[in-house]
Amino acid sequence: DIQMTQSPSTLSASVGDRVTITCRASQSISSWLAWYQQKPGKAPKLLIYKASSLESGVPSRFSGSGSGTEFTLTISSLQPDDFATYYCQQYNSYGWTFGQGTKVEIK
Amino acid sequence: EVQLLESGGGLVQPGGSLRLSCAASGFTFSSYAMSWVRQAPGKGLEWVSAISGSGGSTYYADSVKGRFTISRDNSKNTLYLQMNSLRAEDTAVYYCAKSIVVVPAATYYFDYWGQGTLVTVSS
Repeated sequence: DIQMTQSPSTLSASVGDRVTITCRASQSISSWLAWYQQKPGKAPKLLIYKASSLESGVPSRFSGSGSGTEFTLTISSLQPDDFATYYCQQYNSYGWTFGQGTKVEIK
Repeated sequence: EVQLLESGGGLVQPGGSLRLSCAASGFTFSSYAMSWVRQAPGKGLEWVSAISGSGGSTYYADSVKGRFTISRDNSKNTLYLQMNSLRAEDTAVYYCAKSIVVVPAATYYFDYWGQGTLVTVSS
């Protein structure tokens, strides 16, 4: 299976900050990457698919980039509702795998 | 509005069985693949199993292959996960997820998720 590694594991930031989360794949996955947001006790929510395509209804402050093995999720101006855990997921090949998660905390 | 409602979770002894259900509404159920994804307490997400819209193709993670069976009843808009030979490491919240299939490779990502049902395997 393809291994997905996110960094950092925890990120402390303030409202209004620009935040970047990195996801690295153990082998090339082209652009077959999704990003999800999960709040405590809630189901994950799809934010980004195909590395950079914004899911309908997701605020434009979220953006994704990258291809091959390195990807980023950027929040241009962190809002109070954005404090959550973020996961990347590869869907390049069967055995679809997630990163371990990045928790965005209030600084 | 897409709604996914899981049920069937609970406490079961190691070696026991459980069947999870996921009732779907708000979309044409038979036109979409569906998946199960789990999350152990305090841990990350793990894809478990997936099934095509027709039910003709099924997929399993190595960790559950041979023990879990995914199925669907398109007349009832319901997804199932039969879990046998349960182990302590199967303890998790199980989410059903509406799945988007990328052709031609038939790989999946997940655009809507239910709220999950907790399965606890313990003696």
